[in-house]
Amino acid sequence: ETGVTQTPRHLVMGMTNKKSLKCEQHLGHNAMYWYKQSAKKPLELMFVYNFKEQTENNSVPSRFSPECPNSSHLFLHLHTLQPEDSALYLCASSGLAGGWNNEQFFGPGTRLTVL
Amino acid sequence: KQEVTQIPAALSVPEGENLVLNCSFTDSAIYNLQWFRQDPGKGLTSLLLIQSSQREQTSGRLNASLDKSSGRSTLYIAASQPGDSATYLCAVWNDKIIFGKGTRLHILP
Repeated sequence: ETGVTQTPRHLVMGMTNKKSLKCEQHLGHNAMYWYKQSAKKPLELMFVYNFKEQTENNSVPSRFSPECPNSSHLFLHLHTLQPEDSALYLCASSGLAGGWNNEQFFGPGTRLTVL
Repeated sequence: KQEVTQIPAALSVPEGENLVLNCSFTDSAIYNLQWFRQDPGKGLTSLLLIQSSQREQTSGRLNASLDKSSGRSTLYIAASQPGDSATYLCAVWNDKIIFGKGTRLHILP
């Protein structure tokens, strides 16, 4: 595998379900990101991890819970979501978060539908 | 608060034409600016990254320029092809990364 991979690619869940999204990067980067892309809205940054430490939480509701066990893996745990949380969730990585070495490389995304 | 605007929202041009996509931002204190393309339902593909100290970057038929003082960047695509049809996004970093809404480009065969 190369680049940034995300699983699953598609997910349908009920509002009471618990599910997790997984992201893995094979680029040797130290920073990883979660983004939300909704229809007709700009891409929204959700969380930033730099060297496994969360450096940014962009006012994301607690029903979204990120986990970064190491610099190569990033999870987004989902619990009691709302229909308006349906969106494309994108993971990205970069050399570092902030500063000059932060060219972003994206995964293919997980299309999430909340019923 | 940084705002990023991309105009036009959509653009259709005949194959073979050269074209320019625009990106403007309100806060010129940026680290860098990055252009991406996104195909429908897919992730983003990085096209070009311009550091704040640079004026332009080139990759193949693509050329991106940056004018920090005026808060503008352009993405020039030469000799457009149907495979260039996609949504093009620009993003700027200062204390956080902010994306524009994108320009949806359609190249007519």
